[in-house]
Amino acid sequence: QSVLTQPPSASGTPGQWVTISCSGSHSNIGLNTVSWYQQFPGTAPKLLIYSSNQRPSGVPVRFSGSQSDTSASLAISGLQSEDEADYYCATWDDSLSVPVLGGGTKLTVL
Amino acid sequence: QLLESGGGLVRPGGSLRLSCAASGFMFGSYAISWFRQAPGKGLEWVSTISGTGGSTYYADSVKGRFTISRDNSKNTLYLRLNSLRAGDTATYYCAKGRLRTQVVPLDVWGQGTTVTVSS
Repeated sequence: QSVLTQPPSASGTPGQWVTISCSGSHSNIGLNTVSWYQQFPGTAPKLLIYSSNQRPSGVPVRFSGSQSDTSASLAISGLQSEDEADYYCATWDDSLSVPVLGGGTKLTVL
Repeated sequence: QLLESGGGLVRPGGSLRLSCAASGFMFGSYAISWFRQAPGKGLEWVSTISGTGGSTYYADSVKGRFTISRDNSKNTLYLRLNSLRAGDTATYYCAKGRLRTQVVPLDVWGQGTTVTVSS
């Protein structure tokens, strides 16, 4: 049972705009910024978004993040076939004093 | 860069020590964490150690069985796995906090090492 809640799956067609949600509580998303990770099968996760909406160098601008109250979202504009991957959200939980993650969302590009 | 090693096949109740060799950053200044991913499942946080090694944190699922440690002189992180169970079967990743003061976000991940617990 993950502390952060993500939909297990999402899908879109090439060129479409897709969002993935991440729901938490006051002690985690309500007090801390969210980061997002992209993982392809058989490979390590990669940092995609940090501090809610910041992209590390090299991450395409079509990836963006937002956060409000106890929820966060990852948006992908102009969906491409190579975006098909698993996506995870994560943040710190002040009550548990540990990092917490979402269960992951499998994005399929139709 | 982070490079894990030490995974393998171990019998239930057995032990294993994973290593995570770091390069390219001031290792001793950053908290490092272990995560794992069971086959076909999501990521799970396992343990975190502060830059000095003075503070350690564990998931309830491994508390009392796993021990995280680091040798800053060797730029290496360790995870000792004891009393292993089938449910510990997973790929184990080490990952570095992006900032010296933060555990998350994690900006550098190792490639993973696989632990299989089976008789």
